[in-house]
Amino acid sequence: QGRLVESGGGVVQPGGSLRLSCSASRFIFSNYGMHWVRQTPGKGLEWVAAISYDGTDEDYADSVKGRFTISRDNSKNTLYLQMNSLRLEDTAVYYCVKDLRRDYFDFWGQGTLVTVSS
Amino acid sequence: SSELTQDPAVSVALGQTVRITCQADRPRSYHASWYQQKPGQAPVLVFYGRDNRPSGIPDRFSGSSSGNTASLIITGAQAEDEADYYCNSRDNSGDHWVFGGGTRLTVL
Repeated sequence: QGRLVESGGGVVQPGGSLRLSCSASRFIFSNYGMHWVRQTPGKGLEWVAAISYDGTDEDYADSVKGRFTISRDNSKNTLYLQMNSLRLEDTAVYYCVKDLRRDYFDFWGQGTLVTVSS
Repeated sequence: SSELTQDPAVSVALGQTVRITCQADRPRSYHASWYQQKPGQAPVLVFYGRDNRPSGIPDRFSGSSSGNTASLIITGAQAEDEADYYCNSRDNSGDHWVFGGGTRLTVL
């Protein structure tokens, strides 16, 4: 099984920006779609965004559309999430997740915490 | 928006069988998947599709589907199965993925 390591989380004020990164290893990154999924502390899971294996197709949850951008650099085996216009309700642990057959979430990183607070 | 509804909490006696359900608000074009999450850990895929269990997942985990409801079945629950379980499915548009609210399983 592969490995996913997220980074870039931290504390940011409302309206601010943050970019998350996810470094992939031990699998052929360029062959697979990828996702970001978040979890509010003590609450459930919410799918955030998806990107196809080659980066040509992106999908977003309605709650983040127009504010977040998912991207990837297959030469660096890295997935990104650019988060702009952050809101209090974006506070969560953000997980990087490998896609399985485009329908399922194969395995997950350990997550990075984003806190939006004034 | 599309929704998946799970019971917030379920309990099972050690060694008994438990069914965790996931009800969709409308018929689904895509199969469900199930994730186990223990405290302080990332979720783990335990069952997906019509009849698929990832490598390393015990065969006491299985799934079924009837109408708008998908189920995760644990046959002979063990103490280590105590966790939160989430279902997921793509919605019928195919460009969004939806999670259920999660079920906390307690093994008595």
